[in-house]
Amino acid sequence: AIQMTQSPSSLSASVGDTVTITCRASQDIRNDLGWYQQKPGKAPKLLIYGASSLQTGVPSRFSGSGSGTDFSLTISRLQPEDFATYYCQHDYDYPPTFGQGTKVEFK
Amino acid sequence: EVQLVESGGGLVKPGGSLRLSCAASQFTFSSYNMNWVRQAPGKGLEWVSSISSSSNNIYYADSVKGRFTISRDNAKNSVFLQMNSLRVEDTAVYYCTREAIRGGRLDAFDIWGQGTMVTVSS
Repeated sequence: AIQMTQSPSSLSASVGDTVTITCRASQDIRNDLGWYQQKPGKAPKLLIYGASSLQTGVPSRFSGSGSGTDFSLTISRLQPEDFATYYCQHDYDYPPTFGQGTKVEFK
Repeated sequence: EVQLVESGGGLVKPGGSLRLSCAASQFTFSSYNMNWVRQAPGKGLEWVSSISSSSNNIYYADSVKGRFTISRDNAKNSVFLQMNSLRVEDTAVYYCTREAIRGGRLDAFDIWGQGTMVTVSS
């Protein structure tokens, strides 16, 4: 199975900051990568698909980049509602594994 | 509103069985692949199983293979997860998810249910 490794596992930031989360795949997955946001007690929400395409309704301060094995999610001008845990997931093949998550906390 | 609503979770003893259901609404259910994803308390997300739109292709995580069975009823807009020989480590919130249609064999999960809790404990 393809392993997905996220870093960092957590980070502290302030409103208005720009933060970047990275995700590395154990093999080439082209651009078959999604990013999800999860808030406590809630279901995950798709933010980015195809490594860089913004899901409908997601604010443009979220952006994704990368291809092959290295990917990143950038949140510009962090807003209070962005403090959450973020997961990457490949959809290259089965099993579609998730990264271990990155918790974005308030500094 | 496009929606997925899970039900059937609860407390069960190790070795027991449980059947989860997921009811879909406000989209053409029969066109979409469906998946189950779980999350153990305080842990990350784990994909569990996938079923194609016509039930022709079914996949399982190694951790549940041989114990769990996914199925669907397109006439009732529902997908199911039959869980047998449950273990303590199966304790988790189970989410029903819809896979987007963008032409690939697999795609991102664009709609999620609210989840149903399964607790396996003696």
